[in-house]
Amino acid sequence: GESVGLHLPTLSVQEGDNSIINCAYSNSASDYFIWYKQESGKGPQFIIDIRSNMDKRQGQRVTVLLNKTVKHLSLQIAATQPGDSAVYFCAEGTSGSRLTFGEGTQLTVNP
Amino acid sequence: SAVISQKPSRDICQRGTSLTIQCQVDSQVTMMFWYRQQPGQSLTLIATANQGSEATYESGFVIDKFPISRPNLTFSTLTVSNMSPEDSSIYLCSVRQGLAYEQYFGPGTRLTVT
Repeated sequence: GESVGLHLPTLSVQEGDNSIINCAYSNSASDYFIWYKQESGKGPQFIIDIRSNMDKRQGQRVTVLLNKTVKHLSLQIAATQPGDSAVYFCAEGTSGSRLTFGEGTQLTVNP
Repeated sequence: SAVISQKPSRDICQRGTSLTIQCQVDSQVTMMFWYRQQPGQSLTLIATANQGSEATYESGFVIDKFPISRPNLTFSTLTVSNMSPEDSSIYLCSVRQGLAYEQYFGPGTRLTVT
């Protein structure tokens, strides 16, 4: 069945550096992808999404890149701040169907 | 995005008892979902709550263990029945509006079964 996984379970960066969180997916039929941020004790927070007809989308300090050829998704966070410390999940889905979540990456930002 | 609240936020329950978790949304939504997140792990979909009909359960989850109600477009409940310590998890309500792809989550209910 389909699966979504992450290359790096933990990522530690210095404040001000850029962070890159990676995600691999296996369902070539997926047509949209979402990145979530989950802080300790809270529910997942929607960050940014991207449709399969795009290869890049930018938000405020975040950029998502989609490479359908190798089924790879990444989240780039510019000028990482201590408040960015959290677990980040990627999720994939097809139109009208449920989301499948990856395993999560713990991002730690060191001051 | 919709504002989603859950009650209770946390609870400690004895094995063999049941707990009902409520999910309230501040606007009408098309789809409501219930997820489970075990400590340190990712999210697993339990079921899709259907308004006016029986919920659609994922593999490994059954109605007798996780009965779900959805009486209208803004409210749903999930009951965790005959609890055991293995049911200790965070239970999350999630919503999606119409044809939109975006899906939003409530704050979660942290359940501990002793």
